[in-house]
Amino acid sequence: GAVVSQHPSRVICKSGTSVKIECRSLDFQATTMFWYRQFPKQSLMLMATSNEGSKATYEQGVEKDKFLINHASLTLSTLTVTSAHPEDSSFYICSAKQGAAFYTEAFFGQGTRLTVV
Amino acid sequence: AQSVTQLGSHVSVSEGALVLLRCNYSSSVPPYLFWYVQYPNQGLQLLLKYTTGATLVKGINGFEAEFKKSETSFHLTKPSAHMSDAAEYFCAVSDRSNFGNEKLTFGTGTRLTIIP
Repeated sequence: GAVVSQHPSRVICKSGTSVKIECRSLDFQATTMFWYRQFPKQSLMLMATSNEGSKATYEQGVEKDKFLINHASLTLSTLTVTSAHPEDSSFYICSAKQGAAFYTEAFFGQGTRLTVV
Repeated sequence: AQSVTQLGSHVSVSEGALVLLRCNYSSSVPPYLFWYVQYPNQGLQLLLKYTTGATLVKGINGFEAEFKKSETSFHLTKPSAHMSDAAEYFCAVSDRSNFGNEKLTFGTGTRLTIIP
């Protein structure tokens, strides 16, 4: 299957700093990428959907100024957590779809565990 | 709006026993249905999916699931549990009623524990 690589896998940052997480599709062009947040022992919560070359669509309740998403190419999307605070500590997972059809499989990255201290 | 319900946040079965993880969905039209597995500190891996056609779907690692429209269910089964099956399992749906609505809605997950 297709491979989605997420980097870094773990990051610890100080409160008030910004952190960038990368999501790359290694062997296919990702028309659409999704960013999820997962709290401990809970399900994935969709944060935003990004299409290459256009602005991301954020889910209700997600602060777009705090979670900046850039989908600059068909193989790369980045999530920047700005002015991070301890409550932003979480497991962030991206996924990428190879086509536009809604039954096209989404491939997931391995996730990034963010700890804000 | 669609939703996914996974009955049982924790399921324990003995090695070699049947695995049954339950998933029910709520949707105005039959959605596309997925089962994912997540190992600790890792992303999600697709086990199987139902889009159209045969309602019994076979996936990887010996898992299968059956789409039952009348019961709005998509339960995941495996005849004989293996220790390596211990993980978190998520059921998800994708709305087919609106073209371009590509989002997956996940259930809350079921943690499967295998007893030696």
